[in-house]
Amino acid sequence: DAGVIQSPRHEVTEMGQEVTLRCKLISGHNSLFWYRQTMMRGLELLIYFNNNVPIDDSGMPEDRFSAKMPNASFSTLKIQPSEPRDSAVYFCASSLDDRDQQPQHFGDGTRLSIL
Amino acid sequence: EDQVTQSPEALRLQEGESSSLNCSYTVSGLRGLFWYRQDPGKGPEFLFTLYSAGEEKEKERLKATLTKKESFLHITAPKPEDSATYLCAVQAWGSGAGSYQLTFGKGTKLSVIP
Repeated sequence: DAGVIQSPRHEVTEMGQEVTLRCKLISGHNSLFWYRQTMMRGLELLIYFNNNVPIDDSGMPEDRFSAKMPNASFSTLKIQPSEPRDSAVYFCASSLDDRDQQPQHFGDGTRLSIL
Repeated sequence: EDQVTQSPEALRLQEGESSSLNCSYTVSGLRGLFWYRQDPGKGPEFLFTLYSAGEEKEKERLKATLTKKESFLHITAPKPEDSATYLCAVQAWGSGAGSYQLTFGKGTKLSVIP
């Protein structure tokens, strides 16, 4: 089975540019999580979707960040405008169902560098 | 607030030298404790879920155990391919949307030297 697929794997862009990160869930999974990983703060949850509906976006740092799930298998995380402090590795993860302690399965991340 | 502390931050072992990694946690009510392995440039890879104190799970050279305050990941006779960062995360019982959230520790970076 294909795992969680993220694109691009690396993104380097200049401050102020719009950045769009993409994620394809594992087939059949209905929960989707976006995380950010930095050396200082480790893995932090940004937003959680269940059945395509955003359930909790309290981890989204600012209004510059937005996430969508246009269908059951795909999600985007957008940063506009981007800032150097947004540089990090962004992961998405999916799980079968959040009610039964199912493990979250992670993609290999997008390494984002904002110059 | 849920907290997870992992120790040591880094650990170097000779091949075959067994050891343990620690994950101490504070959570209002433990729904599950998860262990992940993360290789450089990769996402975390799921290893185990533990649900209650006294539970143990094994996979190859790894064994995870759980008490009411901490979890250990025991590595028996490690090989160089076991080198990775090992992450621990807790999930708490809660109402509504909050019960899904994983709180991660910063990880232990394990290096196994041939």
